[in-house]
Amino acid sequence: AQKVTQAQTEISVVEKEDVTLDCVYETRDTTYYLFWYKQPPSGELVFLIRRNSFDEQNEISGRYSWNFQKSTSSFNFTITASQVVDSAVYFCALRGNAGGTSYGKLTFGQGTILTVHP
Amino acid sequence: EAQVTQNPRYLITVTGKKLTVTCSQNMNHEYMSWYRQDPGLGLRQIYYSMNVEVTDKGDVPEGYKVSRKEKRNFPLILESPSPNQTSLYFCASSLYSGGTEAFFGQGTRLTVV
Repeated sequence: AQKVTQAQTEISVVEKEDVTLDCVYETRDTTYYLFWYKQPPSGELVFLIRRNSFDEQNEISGRYSWNFQKSTSSFNFTITASQVVDSAVYFCALRGNAGGTSYGKLTFGQGTILTVHP
Repeated sequence: EAQVTQNPRYLITVTGKKLTVTCSQNMNHEYMSWYRQDPGLGLRQIYYSMNVEVTDKGDVPEGYKVSRKEKRNFPLILESPSPNQTSLYFCASSLYSGGTEAFFGQGTRLTVV
C-alpha cells in the first residue's frame, strides 16, 4: 500500500517569511506521480504541480518551488516571501502508474494548514 | 467552461435514509473518483473508476456504492447513511489515471443525524 506523510499539521509564519512544507511518501511502485494541491479557505481544491518519479529536476514557479528527492522519498514545497493569500491547507498526493500495485489510487497526505499573518 | 459539478453542495439527512450525491464532468475524462475529507485525515479515496462500467474500491469504501454508466457521471450512493459518514465529500476527474492532475468538484458537506 502507498502512503503519504505530511509531518507538519500546522505552520504559522509572518508575511515575507519563507516556509517549507514537508512531504514524505512510501510506495512499492517503480513509476509513480506526485502532486501538490492547495485548499484555500473557500474550500475548493486547486492543483499546483505534478512530478513523475523519473524526473528529479526541481521546479520553480514564481514564489513556489518544489524539491523532489527520490533517495529520501521526499517532495517538499517551499513558498518564498509568503503572503497572506498563501494561507490555506496544502496537500501532497501520490498516484501509482499502470502496472503498479497502486495503479488508479490517489493517496493524499493529512494536509498542512499554513497561516500567514500580516 | 471545464468543470466537475457536484450536487447537492450541502445536505442534512437522517440515519438510514438512502441518498445520492451526483457528480458530472464535461471534459471527457476517463478517470473519476470520490474522496471524503475529515479533519486530521486529509482526503481519503472512497471509490474510483477508470472508465465506463469499471469501478474499484479505494481506501474507505465501506457504506458506499458507485456506478459509472456514462463517462460523464459518477454518482456516490449511501444506501443507509450513518453519523460516521458525516464528512466533506469531493468528486474528481482526470484525463486518465497516472500522471494527469485531478480536477475537483466544489465539495458536498454531508451531515447525518
